[in-house]
Amino acid sequence: KNEVEQSPQNLTAQEGEFITINCSYSVGISALHWLQQHPGGGIVSLFMLSSGKKKHGRLIATINIQEKHSSLHITASHPRDSAVYICAVSTGNQFYFGTGTSLTVIP
Amino acid sequence: NAGVTQTPKFQVLKTGQSMTLQCAQDMNHEYMSWYRQDPGMGLRLIHYSVGAGITDQGEVPNGYNVSRSTTEDFPLRLLSAAPSQTSVYFCASRQQGIYGYTFGSGTRLTVV
Repeated sequence: KNEVEQSPQNLTAQEGEFITINCSYSVGISALHWLQQHPGGGIVSLFMLSSGKKKHGRLIATINIQEKHSSLHITASHPRDSAVYICAVSTGNQFYFGTGTSLTVIP
Repeated sequence: NAGVTQTPKFQVLKTGQSMTLQCAQDMNHEYMSWYRQDPGMGLRLIHYSVGAGITDQGEVPNGYNVSRSTTEDFPLRLLSAAPSQTSVYFCASRQQGIYGYTFGSGTRLTVV
């Protein structure tokens, strides 16, 4: 069983498009995280949120606690946004990850 | 540069060999953790620590040992490597509370 489910698994977009990646989870959480894994393998923490909405540049993350759902939006996508985006939830000190969404943005 | 440093970046082991993956952070973070990443399975938590002298198991702890003698270091030990432990290993740390995680650059381990 997967505590965290992401969709879609793969996503190809044209430069400039608005992108949405979805994450659903089945456990009670203390926080939800969005991570970005670059093609070279490095992982960067994008957002950590427990309610509402956060924005950083062209990235927006939202969470609906009642529906156990989160979305990551990328506005005006750019080829440098091409990466794997990973949703993860923390329950106390345990940490569960989705399998990631591979995003390719074509110029 | 402040951050999480993992060594080595690559390692090939023979079945049955032992080794230690090193992880060090210079941000005075209380929480440190180890993950493995396998194709199609995503990242999985192996062990974590909430402070010096305190460690606990994650989702997939079997075959791995950890210790936390200092705030800075959190080594992961494979006592007898098995091919099933072929994976990419990431160490991460964070300050307890509202802050996000800082990840190391990863160690690609192959057990033959």
